[in-house]
Amino acid sequence: EVQLVETGGGLVQPGRSLKLSCVASGFTFSSYWMYWIRQAPGKGLEWVSSINTDGGSTYYPDSVKGRFTISRDNAENTVYLQMNSLRSEDTATYYCAKDGSTEGIPFDYWGQGVMVTVSS
Amino acid sequence: EIVLTQSPTTMAASPGEKVTITCRASSSVSYMYWYQQKSGASPKPWIYETSKLASGVPDRFSGSGSGTSYSFTISSMETEDAATYYCHQWSSTPPTFGGGTKLELK
Repeated sequence: EVQLVETGGGLVQPGRSLKLSCVASGFTFSSYWMYWIRQAPGKGLEWVSSINTDGGSTYYPDSVKGRFTISRDNAENTVYLQMNSLRSEDTATYYCAKDGSTEGIPFDYWGQGVMVTVSS
Repeated sequence: EIVLTQSPTTMAASPGEKVTITCRASSSVSYMYWYQQKSGASPKPWIYETSKLASGVPDRFSGSGSGTSYSFTISSMETEDAATYYCHQWSSTPPTFGGGTKLELK
């Protein structure tokens, strides 16, 4: 059974940093791209980052580019999201998701999500 | 960036009623994907490649469309279908989602 478990959320002041982790199990982690997707309270979904299988290629939308960094440790089956220079608009639930594009589904499994609140 | 516009944003349906949600893209996309999200839970894939049902999805659900206009249909509303549904495209980067349609039970 595929499981994705995010940790590391919490309350942080504007301008500070936070690092999220997502531990994966139930599939061959090193064979799949991984993603972070966020959802502001009461709002829709926004793709935040992508990372390829060996971590050599990463992608971000303009809203977080230069502030967020996605990385992975295939030995630990973990994907990370380092978030720097946080802003109030980064307040959201952050989900990690597994790539399912080989089966035709971009994000086929999602974690339970972790809440990040940016406030003074 | 391709903008996806869903309508309606909220709706209520009675058990047995037919439900249709539309998703319009600002530019043509090859496929549309749909996710279901229940309150307090993470999204689940529901329909992929425009018209294929994800594993475990009842066949009262269907999807169709092409180009810039797509639709999501429930042939006969059931209690368990109350949720928010999001359309999604990844024909071009960045991948984007519609604003969601909250479907309530009447």
